[in-house]
Amino acid sequence: NAGVTQTPKFHILKIGQSMTLQCTQDMNHNYMYWYRQDPGMGLKLIYYSVGAGITDKGEVPNGYNVSRSTTEDFPLRLELAAPSQTSVYFCASSYAGQGYSGNTIYFGEGSWLTVV
Amino acid sequence: AQSVAQPEDQVNVAEGNPLTVKCTYSVSGNPYLFWYVQYPNRGLQFLLKYITGDNLVKGSYGFEAEFNKSQTSFHLKKPSALVSDSALYFCAVMNDMRFGAGTRLTVKP
Repeated sequence: NAGVTQTPKFHILKIGQSMTLQCTQDMNHNYMYWYRQDPGMGLKLIYYSVGAGITDKGEVPNGYNVSRSTTEDFPLRLELAAPSQTSVYFCASSYAGQGYSGNTIYFGEGSWLTVV
Repeated sequence: AQSVAQPEDQVNVAEGNPLTVKCTYSVSGNPYLFWYVQYPNRGLQFLLKYITGDNLVKGSYGFEAEFNKSQTSFHLKKPSALVSDSALYFCAVMNDMRFGAGTRLTVKP
């Protein structure tokens, strides 16, 4: 049971570099999410998608971009990395989102990113 | 605006004692409330949720939570804590996909 798979698990990035965090899910979920987790701050929503071809900003979208060309994949791109983007990033998915918020969100194992 | 709050950063209990992890919320309309648990270096795992119905919700690993509309609370409880329950617990309001800051539960032998 793969669920939500994120790569890479760990990465060190230099200031100003760009990179893409990959996320794929095999549960045929229509909604996908990217959160970042900072100590004592809980999870902050970066971007989310309600289906292929549709994305929307969350609470902290600045410095990031996403795309959703397929139901399965939802990559997160960091442009011009900054130290403030040092964080743990979680991809997640669910069968439905705000339209019916009762569905459980399933999380990946996380990607630890350090910007130096 | 903050829609979910976990007032305690840390909760310490002795093994065998009951535990409570607090959560309060603020939403318009009916709330969709969740609890998740995170073990070290892992993703979040679903524990339980309240959508509608009985105010007392039972979930995984012996946890339960009580929805209190008048106090806008959704506290997580367990009658007898285990050392293996030590983890980071998150309350979430799925109406706007927001999570609380998390409460670190430590159960001491």
